[in-house]
Amino acid sequence: GESVGLHLPTLSVQEGDNSIINCAYSNSASDYFIWYKQESGKGPQFIIDIRSNMDKRQGQRVTVLLNKTVKHLSLQIAATQPGDSAVYFCAEFYSSASKIIFGSGTRLSIRP
Amino acid sequence: GAGVSQTPSNKVTEKGKYVELRCDPISGHTALYWYRQSLGQGPEFLIYFQGTGAADDSGLPNDRFFAVRPEGSVSTLKIQRTERGDSAVYLCASSLTGQGITGELFFGEGSRLTVL
Repeated sequence: GESVGLHLPTLSVQEGDNSIINCAYSNSASDYFIWYKQESGKGPQFIIDIRSNMDKRQGQRVTVLLNKTVKHLSLQIAATQPGDSAVYFCAEFYSSASKIIFGSGTRLSIRP
Repeated sequence: GAGVSQTPSNKVTEKGKYVELRCDPISGHTALYWYRQSLGQGPEFLIYFQGTGAADDSGLPNDRFFAVRPEGSVSTLKIQRTERGDSAVYLCASSLTGQGITGELFFGEGSRLTVL
């Protein structure tokens, strides 16, 4: 069946360095891919999304890359800050079903 | 309030009891979602409302789970005969509309359910 998974469950990055969080997906019928950030004790927070007909989208300090050939999605965070510590989820959105399917998440920790 | 509000924030109950979890979405948001999140896992889709009707309830695990949204605003997730395996954080999210747009859902902080 459809699945959204992640390559690494944890990622440790030096403060100020760039972070790259990867995600693999299996369903090529998704319309959008989304990255969410979840801090401890809180609900997921939308970061950025990308349509399936795009390969790159930039936001404030974040860039999402989509490679449909290998069904791979990545989130790049520039100049990582302590406030970026959280669990990051990639997710797929099916507009026909208005449903978002989440992956299992990567925990990002920042070393001072 | 400005965001999605969920009550209670924590609920401890005994196996076999009945539980209700409430979600108050952002005013004007027509789409409302319930997700369940177990420790170390991503949120798992349960049900999606568009207005008062359940547009997709394919994620409800069994007939012990039921959700309503009678006036198209507040929603209640109801769990009958709770089991220890129901222990999780139940997340509610809303969006302006659930059809044909990006996945910007606004989540509440969740209701943590513990079944003893």
